Amino acid sequence: NAGVMQNPRHLVRRRGQEARLRCSPMKGHSHVYWYRQLPEEGLKFMVYLQKENIIDESGMPKERFSAEFPKEGPSILRIQQVVRGDSAAYFCASSPSDQGPHEQYFGPGTRLTVT
Amino acid sequence: GQQLNQSPQSMFIQEGEDVSMNCTSSSIFNTWLWYKQDPGEGPVLLIALYKAGELTSNGRLTAQFGITRKDSFLNISASIPSDVGIYFCAGQTLDDKIIFGKGTRLHILP
Repeated sequence: NAGVMQNPRHLVRRRGQEARLRCSPMKGHSHVYWYRQLPEEGLKFMVYLQKENIIDESGMPKERFSAEFPKEGPSILRIQQVVRGDSAAYFCASSPSDQGPHEQYFGPGTRLTVT
Repeated sequence: GQQLNQSPQSMFIQEGEDVSMNCTSSSIFNTWLWYKQDPGEGPVLLIALYKAGELTSNGRLTAQFGITRKDSFLNISASIPSDVGIYFCAGQTLDDKIIFGKGTRLHILP
């Protein structure tokens, strides 16, 4: 049983470039959550998606950030025109469709560095 | 906004000692979760608690969901070197959001 997969594990971008982070949920899971973690901090909720739907994006900045979870393929978190403050670890988690958000399983994260 | 206060921020203990950490909040939570995060990895779920007063064990780990639904603790008995890491509490709010504490960093002295 493959766990939650995220790629790339490390991503370096210059200011102004775009960053695309991918998340493949566990098999059979149709709910995906994205979190951001700054050094020495806990995880901060960004967005909750089901297949083809954004359920809750209240934690995601209104500008430059977007997320999708298409019918086929991984969930994508996209950050346009990155700035130094976007440097962080981004984790996705997935849960099965018949469970509440508490049964979340995390991927290994993507560490974004903006130079 | 809702916040979790996790303490202590860090702990330095001898191998074999017991460990206790807790999370408190001014808000009520439906579910309490405890995760462990190793360096460079994502959090791994250790224990999930669903009912006020619930006491659950997972090997040497024991966690409780406080009666007031505003707090939880995690105990680790007879610590071993692989227990080193960051432990996070997380609470599921009444509107189904997950809020994380800032973590307790556990160090084991040689």
